[in-house]
Amino acid sequence: DTAVSQTPKYLVTQMGNDKSIKCEQNLGHDTMYWYKQDSKKFLKIMFSYNNKELIINETVPNRFSPKSPDKAHLNLHINSLELGDSAVYFCASSPDRSLTEAFFGQGTRLTVV
Amino acid sequence: GQNIDQPTEMTATEGAIVQINCTYQTSGFNGLFWYQQHAGEAPTFLSYNVLDGLEEKGRFSSFLSRSKGYSYLLLKELQMKDSASYLCAVSTTDSWGKLQFGAGTQVVVTP
Repeated sequence: DTAVSQTPKYLVTQMGNDKSIKCEQNLGHDTMYWYKQDSKKFLKIMFSYNNKELIINETVPNRFSPKSPDKAHLNLHINSLELGDSAVYFCASSPDRSLTEAFFGQGTRLTVV
Repeated sequence: GQNIDQPTEMTATEGAIVQINCTYQTSGFNGLFWYQQHAGEAPTFLSYNVLDGLEEKGRFSSFLSRSKGYSYLLLKELQMKDSASYLCAVSTTDSWGKLQFGAGTQVVVTP
């Protein structure tokens, strides 16, 4: 069984569109994250939720809006997509916010054309 | 913020040993993680150090010196499948739940 699953795995879309990426974890973890990995393979945190509450919000354009309907789900909605948004987006979860270990989803490769 | 430095690439032959160094500058250190990431795949957890010393897990070991802001990941008996990017990441008490990653070290294992 997949521990952290995100969909879709690949997403190709035009500039200006709005798109969503979904993430679900079946590990019973309290904390979930969105990370962005750019073309240089640098992995940077975007958001973190603990029990549906936003606890980390890095300097991310407000076109990016996370939503956590429950602690097992953390979705990422992106408005007015730009070319620079092209990257791999990873969802992750950890037992709690003290972060002894984070489990990552398989990633969503977003390409904006 | 934290500065995390690790070499960009290392090459070694099958069966050999490779040591990947990571240095960091941070306040409120709360632990150092190593992750392995194969091309096109998710990072997977390898090790976690919060106290000084060596943690051994099979062919992989990780060392931490908090006073020096230094860690290394040691890969022994290298196998072709160990070719991957190895990411050093730091957690701090002023950013609970946030991992700051280094740029990763690409290890290439040759026959």
